[in-house]
Amino acid sequence: DADVTQTPRNRITKTGKRIMLECSQTKGHDRMYWYRQDPGLGLRLIYYSFDVKDINKGEISDGYSVSRQAQAKFSLSLESAIPNQTALYFCATSATGGGYEQYFGPGTRLTVT
Amino acid sequence: GQNIDQPTEMTATEGAIVQINCTYQTSGFNGLFWYQQHAGEAPTFLSYNVLDGLEEKGRFSSFLSRSKGYSYLLLKELQMKDSASYLCAVIKAGDSSYKLIFGSGTRLLVRP
Repeated sequence: DADVTQTPRNRITKTGKRIMLECSQTKGHDRMYWYRQDPGLGLRLIYYSFDVKDINKGEISDGYSVSRQAQAKFSLSLESAIPNQTALYFCATSATGGGYEQYFGPGTRLTVT
Repeated sequence: GQNIDQPTEMTATEGAIVQINCTYQTSGFNGLFWYQQHAGEAPTFLSYNVLDGLEEKGRFSSFLSRSKGYSYLLLKELQMKDSASYLCAVIKAGDSSYKLIFGSGTRLLVRP
């Protein structure tokens, strides 16, 4: 079984709809991250959480919110989706402490029409 | 601020050696990662450098010079399956947090 899972894997939604992307991990890591990837722009950090009670904005948090329901679960919400939020979204985890590698989920391809 | 530069695309021949460069300017540098990403898939870890010098791991090696803000990934004995994007990412430390800042990636095409 995969250590980091994301649901859904693909989603098409309409402008203005609320949508939630979910991430679960079995690695026992405290730190979790949400990134989006756009062609030519690389991965950009949306939000990150270093434990259940810790939520931090990343580089591009506007239009997004997150919830850390448990150590193993970190969800990303688009309150009112817009077409420029069409992208590939990745969840990642890492162990506590500086310098540890991040383990990525398989990604969610989101299209907003 | 932070700025990470990598070439957009590179082409190499099967069996050859290729070097992918990464330059960075960032405050609070605390290490550099290289990730491999096949199209439509998740990035996977290749290497981590925090001290100056060369780290070798099988066919892949990574080099870091902190004073020059420079790293490279060296791929030897190229195989067709090495065709992928290679992402340079810098750990930015500070304000009690660690974050990975990614470059845009280098798309490598390996030809027969």
